Amino acid sequence: SQKIEQNSEALNIQEGKTATLTCNYTNYSPAYLQWYRQDPGRGPVFLLLIRENEKEKRKERLKVTFDTTLKQSLFHITASQPADSATYLCALSQTGFQKLVFGTGTRLLVSP
Amino acid sequence: EAQVTQNPRYLITVTGKKLTVTCSQNMNHEYMSWYRQDPGLGLRQIYYSMNVEVTDKGDVPEGYKVSRKEKRNFPLILESPSPNQTSLYFCASSPLNRGEETQYFGPGTRLLVL
Repeated sequence: SQKIEQNSEALNIQEGKTATLTCNYTNYSPAYLQWYRQDPGRGPVFLLLIRENEKEKRKERLKVTFDTTLKQSLFHITASQPADSATYLCALSQTGFQKLVFGTGTRLLVSP
Repeated sequence: EAQVTQNPRYLITVTGKKLTVTCSQNMNHEYMSWYRQDPGLGLRQIYYSMNVEVTDKGDVPEGYKVSRKEKRNFPLILESPSPNQTSLYFCASSPLNRGEETQYFGPGTRLLVL
């Protein structure tokens, strides 16, 4: 069955550094890959969507890469701030936002 | 303000007592879906709807029902809740227009079934 792996251990970095989160998947060939932010007790917030034919996508301080050969996506936050502390979820699908499969998320802690 | 609302936000019930969790969106989105989130398992899709009167099963539909009689509303029905349905539930909506790539989630409904 399809499997999505995100590092379950929290990532601790210092303010101003670049945070890099990883999403690996197996037994799946997604056409779309998405990243979400989730704060404790709140609903996920959509950040970025990247298609299988796009290698990289940027939005302000965020950058996502999608390597279909390695079956991996990297999510970067440059110039990180304490307000970026949250859990980041990776999600895959064949058809945009329908039938999304989510990873369990990686918690990011940015220290001042 | 664009938003997805869910009610109730918190619910404690007993096994077998039918309940409905409402979901409403004010963005005229075609697509709506329900997820449950459990520790260690992440978000799992229960049901989704591509438009009015069009619904389909997600990955964990057992024990749940949905309906889509109006575009803005997508209620989740638990006909006979059981303790294994204790979870955090999220409703989401998104447009099917490719020019608008986004998905909005509601604030969540925390359900405890005793």
